[in-house]
Amino acid sequence: DAGVIQSPRHEVTEMGQEVTLRCKPISGHNSLFWYRQTMMRGLELLIYFNNNVPIDDSGMPEDRFSAKMPNASFSTLKIQPSEPRDSAVYFCASWSGATNSPLHFGNGTRLTVT
Amino acid sequence: QQQVKQSPQSLIVQKGGISIINCAYENTAFDYFPWYQQFPGKGPALLIAIRPDVSEKKEGRFTISFNKSAKQFSLHIMDSQPGDSATYFCAATLYSSASKIIFGSGTRLSIRP
Repeated sequence: DAGVIQSPRHEVTEMGQEVTLRCKPISGHNSLFWYRQTMMRGLELLIYFNNNVPIDDSGMPEDRFSAKMPNASFSTLKIQPSEPRDSAVYFCASWSGATNSPLHFGNGTRLTVT
Repeated sequence: QQQVKQSPQSLIVQKGGISIINCAYENTAFDYFPWYQQFPGKGPALLIAIRPDVSEKKEGRFTISFNKSAKQFSLHIMDSQPGDSATYFCAATLYSSASKIIFGSGTRLSIRP
């Protein structure tokens, strides 16, 4: 099993540019999560999909952030326009749905907005 | 009431010593308490977990102690090794579901050789 795959690993962009982060969950997992990690705020849940449908997007900071899951094997998190305060590590995680089974995290995308 | 409070924020322990990280919660409906370990450049990964009907769970050098009446739980790392240097997150879940997981703020652990 390849685990959760995220791309790119690093992204450096200028303020105002569009950024798209990508995630491939573990095959067979029906839930996908996007998290943001910063020193100040720790791990924040941005959005959670179940069976490709967004269930909880209350953590999405503002309208500049959007996420899609067009099929069971792919999800994107888009920031448009990006701002320096968006600089963080963004993690995708997938979950099988089984009781007490763990979240499986990818290795993250480190985003730097200058 | 949905928070999980974790302390300390950072911890330095000598090799061979005991590392202790503490967490507290308010919501008595939480029914599963996992700990995640995160190495630099990697995502968090499940380390060990406990249900509230037991007071202790041990896996190798890692032990969770759980005090239901105090609504506190802690991670103990015995004989701490440099390879244990990582960030540790306690967490709590509702309905034993990862979709209802609440993470603590994390503890950065450094083990000195």
